[in-house]
Amino acid sequence: AQSVTQLGSHVSVSEGALVLLRCNYSSSVPPYLFWYVQYPNQGLQLLLKYTTGATLVKGINGFEAEFKKSETSFHLTKPSAHMSDAAEYFCAVSDSDDMRFGAGTRLTVKP
Amino acid sequence: DTAVSQTPKYLVTQMGNDKSIKCEQNLGHDTMYWYKQDSKKFLKIMFSYNNKELIINETVPNRFSPKSPDKAHLNLHINSLELGDSAVYFCASGRKGHTEAFFGQGTRLTVV
Repeated sequence: AQSVTQLGSHVSVSEGALVLLRCNYSSSVPPYLFWYVQYPNQGLQLLLKYTTGATLVKGINGFEAEFKKSETSFHLTKPSAHMSDAAEYFCAVSDSDDMRFGAGTRLTVKP
Repeated sequence: DTAVSQTPKYLVTQMGNDKSIKCEQNLGHDTMYWYKQDSKKFLKIMFSYNNKELIINETVPNRFSPKSPDKAHLNLHINSLELGDSAVYFCASGRKGHTEAFFGQGTRLTVV
């Protein structure tokens, strides 16, 4: 069965600092991986996805993630945090029938 | 044009009542889902439908019954509501086979 684990339920960074949100996956087949963002009282919005091909994936709002098969990881990064990045972030893995989410990481950005 | 729309956005009801949440998608997707998000933000899949057929039915009380009248709609009916049913319920849709899911805005259900 596929699953993802997000390390750190809460990450706090200063504005302008590097953002690193960690995600490790478990899958018996080549994984399809996603990062979603959820702003307060809203639904989930896709940030980026990895299906096949290039292992470094660029998404919206300056975020990117790198698929590392040897480490079973798909960490999300952004070089410089902005106040508007404060939100809940979810890593997810998909097979052909459903999508499973990690527990989420709340990102706080300090001025 | 809203891609995945849920109604109502907020629902407050008493224990023991029966309620429904409606979901519609206009993206032409063949797969629809219901997720439950608890107070700790944990997202758990409840049901997955593909072409109106139930594909996944996680360990969910049988008080919860999804209904898919056509590929564009997946409604969730809940009988005999309990306090523990309070959560945000998200509908989502996608194409079968590894693609991303598109989410509705959620329905915040509060059982009092």
